[in-house]
Amino acid sequence: DIQMTQSPSSLSASVGDRVTITCRASQSISSYLNWYQQKPGKAPKLLIYAASSLQSGVPSRFSGSGSGTDFTLTISSLQPEDFATYYCQQSYSTHFTFGPGTKVDIK
Amino acid sequence: QITLKESGPTLVKPTQTLTLTCTFSGFSLSTSGVGVGWIRQPPGKALEWLALIYWDDDKRYSPSLKSRLTITKDTSKNQVVLTMTNMDPVDTATYYCAHLRGADNFDYWGQGTLVTVSS
Repeated sequence: DIQMTQSPSSLSASVGDRVTITCRASQSISSYLNWYQQKPGKAPKLLIYAASSLQSGVPSRFSGSGSGTDFTLTISSLQPEDFATYYCQQSYSTHFTFGPGTKVDIK
Repeated sequence: QITLKESGPTLVKPTQTLTLTCTFSGFSLSTSGVGVGWIRQPPGKALEWLALIYWDDDKRYSPSLKSRLTITKDTSKNQVVLTMTNMDPVDTATYYCAHLRGADNFDYWGQGTLVTVSS
């Protein structure tokens, strides 16, 4: 299995802050990396696919980068509706795996 | 417009078999490149991918749960069924089904269904 790790596991930030979340794969996954946002009691929502492609309808303040084993999700200016948990997911292997999540809450 | 909805029991006893149905609309599982996956999330914990089925009936399972899982599709009914045998309290979770786009990412999700395993 390809193992995914995320850092930090949680962070506190203020509205307007620039936020960066890191995801690391246990082996190279090229650009087969997706990011999801999940709010309490809701299903996850796809934000970024193929490491850096913005899903339709997702605000441009979200961006993704990276390839190989190291990836980042950046929120350029945190908005109130962005407080949520973020997960990465690899699709390089047909046995998909998710990262443990990063919770973003209000400072 | 793609929609998916999970259905099944909310409570199962330990050792029983869980059967969940995902009923979807807005796409066909006979279309090349399409898939449906199952993902679960224990309360307060992370997402865990369980299984996938593709338009060509190719199937993939989480290695850690493979012996307990079976995924099938009924194209005529627009349904995907997941069965999990020998349920245990640690299997208590919200179970989601999701549309797999391009064999890569889950772009549409069901609302999820909470399954509790308890005697």
